Amino acid sequence: GESVGLHLPTLSVQEGDNSIINCAYSNSASDYFIWYKQESGKGPQFIIDIRSNMDKRQGQRVTVLLNKTVKHLSLQIAATQPGDSAVYFCAENENTGGFKTIFGAGTRLFVKA
Amino acid sequence: DVKVTQSSRYLVKRTGEKVFLECVQDMDHENMFWYRQDPGLGLRLIYFSYDVKMKEKGDIPEGYSVSREKKERFSLILESASTNQTSMYLCASHYAQHSTDTQYFGPGTRLTVL
Repeated sequence: GESVGLHLPTLSVQEGDNSIINCAYSNSASDYFIWYKQESGKGPQFIIDIRSNMDKRQGQRVTVLLNKTVKHLSLQIAATQPGDSAVYFCAENENTGGFKTIFGAGTRLFVKA
Repeated sequence: DVKVTQSSRYLVKRTGEKVFLECVQDMDHENMFWYRQDPGLGLRLIYFSYDVKMKEKGDIPEGYSVSREKKERFSLILESASTNQTSMYLCASHYAQHSTDTQYFGPGTRLTVL
């Protein structure tokens, strides 16, 4: 069956360094991808999204890259800060109005001061 | 900003009890969702609703039911709680006409069934 997976369950980076969180997806029908951030004790929050007709999208300190050839998604965080410590989820949608969203298990990012 | 609230942050119930989890959103969103979140499994969809009094089963509906009597409120019901329903429950809402399919999440309810 389709699944969205993360290569690394935990990631530890030094404050100020760049972070890269990876995600693999297997559903070729997915056309919309989202990264969420979940801080301890809170629900997931939208960070950035990308549609399948794009291969890169940039936000404030974050960049999402999409490689449809190998079904791979990544989230890059520039100049990682202690406030970036959280669990990050990737999610994919099948262009069904959001009803068919598959979430990855999550990667926990630790930022060392 | 969208605000999604859940009635309780923490709940402890006993096996066999009936449990109600309430979710309210203030942005007039058509779609609302209930997920459970377990370590290593990601978010799994229990039920969703695309309109008042409308509901659809998600991936793991067994042991749960839902109610959507008003557009802003979506309730998750555990008719007879079991220990394997101990989990974090997350509610989300989504604006069907929005250009993106982002779901807005509540803070979660951590339910423990003893």
